[in-house]
Amino acid sequence: DIQMTQSPSSLSASVGDRVTITCRASQIISTYLNWYQQKPGKAPKFLIHAASTLQSGVPSRFSGSGSGTDFTLTISSLQPEDSATYFCQHGYRSPFTFGQGTKVEIK
Amino acid sequence: QVQLVESGGGVVQPGGSLRLSCSASGFTFSDYGMHWVRQAPGKGLEWVTFIRYDENNKYYLDSVKGRFTVSRDNSKNTLYLQMNRLRAEDTAVYYCAKDHEWRRVGHTTSGCDYWGQGTRVTVTS
Repeated sequence: DIQMTQSPSSLSASVGDRVTITCRASQIISTYLNWYQQKPGKAPKFLIHAASTLQSGVPSRFSGSGSGTDFTLTISSLQPEDSATYFCQHGYRSPFTFGQGTKVEIK
Repeated sequence: QVQLVESGGGVVQPGGSLRLSCSASGFTFSDYGMHWVRQAPGKGLEWVTFIRYDENNKYYLDSVKGRFTVSRDNSKNTLYLQMNRLRAEDTAVYYCAKDHEWRRVGHTTSGCDYWGQGTRVTVTS
């Protein structure tokens, strides 16, 4: 099975900061990498697929990059509503494993 | 708009069974694969199973193989998850989610673009 490792597990940043979350796959997964945002008590929200394609309606301050085994989710200018936990997920083959999550807090 | 509504969760003893349902609307259900994803209390997301749009392929997490069965009724726009021989570690909120890609074939996924609100399953004696 392909393992997904996110770092950091949590971070605290100020409004307006640039935030970067990293996701590493244990095997090459091309660009079959998705990102989700989850707020407490809510279902996850689909942010990015194919490593860098922004889902419709997602603010342009979110971006994704990477291929192979190393991927990045970037929030260019952190906003208060971005306080949430972010998960990566690979889509290369079953099981479609998620990373353990990165909790983003606002200072 | 796309809506997914899960039902069927509850409290069950170890070894028991439950059947979850997910009623879909706002899109052509028969054109999209569907996933079940779960989240144990205070934990991260865990992908459980996927069923292709035409039911020709199904994939499962190893720990649920032989115990869980995913199915769908495209005439009723409904997804199901039959869960047998339940264990304490199956305790979680179970979400159904729509696959992003229209009539996806092959072994990959482009992710889950719409999610239900989840239904809670508690396995306890």
